[in-house]
Amino acid sequence: NAGVMQNPRHLVRRRGQEARLRCSPMKGHSHVYWYRQLPEEGLKFMVYLQKENIIDESGMPKERFSAEFPKEGPSILRIQQVVRGDSAAYFCASSPGPIGANTGELFFGEGSRLTVL
Amino acid sequence: TQLLEQSPQFLSIQEGENLTVYCNSSSVFSSLQWYRQEPGEGPVLLVTVVTGGEVKKLKRLTFQFGDARKDSSLHITAAQPGDTGLYLCAGPRMDSSYKLIFGSGTRLLVRP
Repeated sequence: NAGVMQNPRHLVRRRGQEARLRCSPMKGHSHVYWYRQLPEEGLKFMVYLQKENIIDESGMPKERFSAEFPKEGPSILRIQQVVRGDSAAYFCASSPGPIGANTGELFFGEGSRLTVL
Repeated sequence: TQLLEQSPQFLSIQEGENLTVYCNSSSVFSSLQWYRQEPGEGPVLLVTVVTGGEVKKLKRLTFQFGDARKDSSLHITAAQPGDTGLYLCAGPRMDSSYKLIFGSGTRLLVRP
């Protein structure tokens, strides 16, 4: 069983360029979550998606950031006009169903590390 | 606002020593999870504690959930170099259980 697959693992962009991060959930998982981790910090929730639906994007900056999870293909986190402060590790996680208060496990990918020069 | 604070931030110990790391909050959590993250990798779930006062053991690791469900601890017995990593605690937000709140972690180094 393949785990959550993220690519690229490392991405370098200059200020003003676009970054696209891809995430393929575990087989059978239809719920995807994106988290961001700044150096020496914990992970911060960004967005929760199901196939073709954005369930909650309250943790994602309103400008320059967007996410999608199409019917076919991976989930994509897109950052337009990147700035140095976007440099971070972006983790995708998936689950087979909704995560309850006491139930459910998130399976994390290995992350995509974005460096903005 | 629900926050999780972890202590210590850094811990460097000799192989064979015991250690305890803490995860504290002023808020009640329905459950808490512990993850280990190695450099360049994603977090891997170690355990979920659900009931106040619950103790779970995973080989040399012992996890405890506080009676009031506001805190948790992780105790490692006879630490080994393979235990080196970033230990993160996380809990679901009360208003949206799919949003995990993470602590900033304890970075553990076990020296051979």
